[in-house]
Amino acid sequence: DVKVTQSSRYLVKRTGEKVFLECVQDMDHENMFWYRQDPGLGLRLIYFSYDVKMKEKGDIPEGYSVSREKKERFSLILESASTNQTSMYLCASSLAGIVYEQYFGPGTRLTVT
Amino acid sequence: ILNVEQSPQSLHVQEGDSTNFTCSFPSSNFYALHWYRWETAKSPEALFVMTLNGDEKKKGRISATLNTKEGYSYLYIKGSQPEDSATYLCAFILGYGGSQGNLIFGKGTKLSVKP
Repeated sequence: DVKVTQSSRYLVKRTGEKVFLECVQDMDHENMFWYRQDPGLGLRLIYFSYDVKMKEKGDIPEGYSVSREKKERFSLILESASTNQTSMYLCASSLAGIVYEQYFGPGTRLTVT
Repeated sequence: ILNVEQSPQSLHVQEGDSTNFTCSFPSSNFYALHWYRWETAKSPEALFVMTLNGDEKKKGRISATLNTKEGYSYLYIKGSQPEDSATYLCAFILGYGGSQGNLIFGKGTKLSVKP
């Protein structure tokens, strides 16, 4: 079974803190993605990566950066957390190519106070 | 701005009812459509990936059809069960020639099945 794990289910941080969200997949997938889910909105893509050290901006990259030093790990970084980044963050992975289904992690609910 | 519309937003049915939802997407430059099921407190799980006009896919009691010319997909659930209660998401991929197309998600249809 494909497994995508995220470092925390719940996280509370203060405004201005630097926040790291970690995602690990165990299926040797080339593609990895970070989304956020907010009430009344669909899943929105923040960043994705199609190879180690490669990254592409999604629809809402402002205030975020990413790191992919190893194939299995994709980190989302909030450089200076703000209250409007309070959200559910989901990581996903897939095989190379855009027709393959994505496998999602359990999500991290981040609250910034 | 590309929009993926799902209807209805929510649906309440009795156990045993059959139901269907709609996903509407831009019909030009279509590449693929994904359906996911997202149960509360779990991860979204892929149901289908559809690429060809007229595609029909089936998994157990759940099936989906695709019409790329008019820009819609239907998801059907036959004989709904309480364990079908979840939010059903569709996601559209625009084929603009790049090697990696973004998934554009709809807001989902939330299904509740009462025993």
